[in-house]
Amino acid sequence: AQSVTQPDIHITVSEGASLELRCNYSYGATPYLFWYVQSPGQGLQLLLKYFSGDTLVQGIKGFEAEFKRSQSSFNLRKPSVHWSDAAEYFCAVGAPGYGNKLVFGAGTILRVKS
Amino acid sequence: EPEVTQTPSHQVTQMGQEVILRCVPISNHLYFYWYRQILGQKVEFLVSFYNNEISEKSEIFDDQFSVERPDGSNFTLKIRSTKLEDSAMYFCASSEDKIEAFFGQGTRLTVV
Repeated sequence: AQSVTQPDIHITVSEGASLELRCNYSYGATPYLFWYVQSPGQGLQLLLKYFSGDTLVQGIKGFEAEFKRSQSSFNLRKPSVHWSDAAEYFCAVGAPGYGNKLVFGAGTILRVKS
Repeated sequence: EPEVTQTPSHQVTQMGQEVILRCVPISNHLYFYWYRQILGQKVEFLVSFYNNEISEKSEIFDDQFSVERPDGSNFTLKIRSTKLEDSAMYFCASSEDKIEAFFGQGTRLTVV
C-alpha cells in the first residue's frame, strides 16, 4: 500500500524568501503525485500534479515540484513566498490501477512572517 | 470554472442521529469520492463510487456509512447513527479520468 511522509509539521519563512516543502512517498512503482493547499476553513485546492514525463512540474501560484525517483520524493518549491501563501500544504499519492484513491500526508503548515 | 459543491457547509447533529451530507460533482465526471479530515489530522479516504456502485472503501467506512447517487447530479454520504468521533470535515471529490480529483469546500460535521 502506498504511504506519504511530510516530515515538517510547521515551517516559517520570511516573505520574499524561498520555500521548499518536503514529501516522501512509498509505493512499488511510479505513482501519481499531487500537492494540495488548504487555507483555514477552506477546501483542498490542487496546486500541481505529476503523472509521467518531465520530472519538474509547474503549478499554480508560482509553485513547482520535482519528482525524484531515486529519493522517492516530490518536494514543493517556490522561489519567493508571499504572505498569502500561508496555509496548510498536503502531499498526496495515487496508485495507478489501485482503486484510484488518494493517500495524503499529514500536512505542513506554512507561516509567512513579514 | 466547474466545481464540486457541498451542502451544508456546517452541520451540527446530536449523537445517534442520522445525517446526510450532499455533494454535486462536476457534471461530466464519472468517479466520486468521500474523504474526511478529523481536526488536526490527515485527510483520509472513505469510499469511491463508480457506475452506481462502491468501487473501494476504507476500514473507516463501516455499516454506519452509506453512499448514494439518487439522481443524475447528487452524490450523498449518509451516517446512520452518528458518534462523537464522526465529527470531522467531510470532503467530496469527483474525477473525470480516475486520476485527478477535484475537491469540494467540505462540510464540517459536529456531533454533540
